[in-house]
Order: sequence, then structure tokens, then C-alpha cells
Amino acid sequence: AQTVTQSQPEMSVQEAETVTLSCTYDTSENNYYLFWYKQPPSRQMILVIRQEAYKQQNATENRFSVNFQKAAKSFSLKISDSQLGDTAMYFCAFMRTNTGNQFYFGTGTSLTVIP
Amino acid sequence: KAGVTQTPRYLIKTRGQQVTLSCSPISGHRSVSWYQQTPGQGLQFLFEYFSETQRNKGNFPGRFSGRQFSNSRSEMNVSTLELGDSALYLCASSSYGREAEAFFGQGTRLTVV
Repeated sequence: AQTVTQSQPEMSVQEAETVTLSCTYDTSENNYYLFWYKQPPSRQMILVIRQEAYKQQNATENRFSVNFQKAAKSFSLKISDSQLGDTAMYFCAFMRTNTGNQFYFGTGTSLTVIP
Repeated sequence: KAGVTQTPRYLIKTRGQQVTLSCSPISGHRSVSWYQQTPGQGLQFLFEYFSETQRNKGNFPGRFSGRQFSNSRSEMNVSTLELGDSALYLCASSSYGREAEAFFGQGTRLTVV
């Protein structure tokens, strides 16, 4: 079975500063994807960044980057130059693909950017 | 390209009624999966469809069912609604293979009274 753990229920960061959200996962599969999604009060799940497990290079997307440690099963998200619009719930997600695409989610980290 | 479209956005139903939710995936995506989000249980997997076939099913009662059409649009149905079915229902549209991508719809907020 796959599990995803986010150990930080709440975090805060000053505007323009950098913050790192932690995520660990457990799986015995070799082919999978990892995602970070942002869910603002509108409740829409917005893709922040994606990492293919077969790629060693860490994914980056503008101010967002990940530190993917496959052996340690760790997948943290770094947000640089934090903006007020980054305030949201952030979910780490594992998508297995071997027998169908299915997501497993962490419990989320509520991030508040302080002006 | 167009995003994932879920309809309706909001629903209010009475206990015992049934409801049908719709999800139109991104063009070219053949996999649609459904999730229930509640404050107490978080995000839970309902089922996944690929090419009109259910590939996986979560641990939900048989009142929850779904299907997928030849154009990849998917519907989920909940019969004999209970108060506990009140939740945000999200669908994910995804592709297969290398460079797979996955996007979510805006969700349907179901309230059972």
C-alpha cells in the first residue's frame, strides 16, 4: 500500500522569504509520479509542480522547486520569494501508474504568507 | 487547451435521493479518477476509469458508482444519499506513460440535508 505523510499541519512565512514544506511517502512501486497541489479557499486543486520518479533531476517551476530523494522517499517543496497569493493548503500526492492512475494524498499543510 | 470541467459546481439534495456528477477530462486524457474530500477523512479515492473500464475502486459502499463514456467523459452516481455523503467531489484527468500529467477539476460541492 502507498502512504503519503505531511508532518507539518500549519506553516507561516514572511512575504518574500523562502519556505520548505516536507513530504515523505512509502511505496514498493518503481514507476510513479509525485505532485504538489495547492488548494486555495476556492477549493480547486491547482497543480504546482510534478516529478517523475525515473528522473533524478529535481523539478523546478518558477519560484517553486522540489528536493526529490528517491532512496529516502522524500519529496519536499521549496517556495522562494513567497507571495500573498501563495497562502493556501498544499497537498503532496503520489500517483501510481502500474495498474491504473490513482492518487494518494497527504493530509495537507496550511501555509500562510504574512505581509 | 481546455481544463477539466466538473458539473454541477454545487448541489443540495435530500437524504434518500440520488445524484449524478459529471467530469469532462482534458482532450486526449483517457483516465478519469474520482475523489471525495471531507474535513475529517481528507481526500479519499473512489474509483478510476480508463477507456470506459473501471480499473480501480476505493473502499466505498456500492451506493457509489461510476461510468465512463467513449469520449472519456465520466459520471459518478450516488444513490440513497446520506448526510455523511456531504463533501467536495473532485475528479482528476490524467494521461499515461512517460511525461504523464494530471489535472483536477474545480469540484462539485454536495450538501445532503
